[in-house]
Amino acid sequence: AQSVTQLDSHVSVSEGTPVLLRCNYSSSYSPSLFWYVQHPNKGLQLLLKYTSAATLVKGINGFEAEFKKSETSFHLTKPSAHMSDAAEYFCVVRGYGQNFVFGPGTRLSVLP
Amino acid sequence: DGGITQSPKYLFRKEGQNVTLSCEQNLNHDAMYWYRQDPGQGLRLIYYSQIVNDFQKGDIAEGYSVSREKKESFPLTVTSAQKNPTAFYLCASSERTSGSTDTQYFGPGTRLTVL
Repeated sequence: AQSVTQLDSHVSVSEGTPVLLRCNYSSSYSPSLFWYVQHPNKGLQLLLKYTSAATLVKGINGFEAEFKKSETSFHLTKPSAHMSDAAEYFCVVRGYGQNFVFGPGTRLSVLP
Repeated sequence: DGGITQSPKYLFRKEGQNVTLSCEQNLNHDAMYWYRQDPGQGLRLIYYSQIVNDFQKGDIAEGYSVSREKKESFPLTVTSAQKNPTAFYLCASSERTSGSTDTQYFGPGTRLTVL
């Protein structure tokens, strides 16, 4: 069975400060892991994905995530938040031959 | 310009009506998916299709139906049997469903409201 836990339902940061969105997963298979971003009333946009290559994955808009197998984590980070980063973020896991499993999402607020 | 289109963007339904949401992709992907999103919740899988003329139920298929007559099209019908259909509906596609490295690409969504 697969599952995804996003440890914070809401994260609030000030503009220019670092962002950390936490994700833990469980999977019986060597998984692929994804982060998506969703702005209000929009579809989901892929930020980055891990597929068993480099454990530090760089994505769009300055985001990156590190796959840590021993901790079953795939946390999303960004060194400096921008107002346009305010959105909902979803962590997703997928094992071989399995469906995509979505976390409940983390809402990121960026304060001026 | 490759991508996934969904129409309409907003849809209003009266009690007892069936409505159909459109999803089209020009990415040449084999797999297509329908998700439902409720406020403050993640995405829940309604149906998915791996190939033309074949589809499988997801976690919340009751009250919904789909067809896959063409590779590029995967319409979703919300029937009157769906008791709480007000939600945001997202269509997605990926190259296939058997691998684990494929990426899902999403359409812009349809917001359905029951009056």
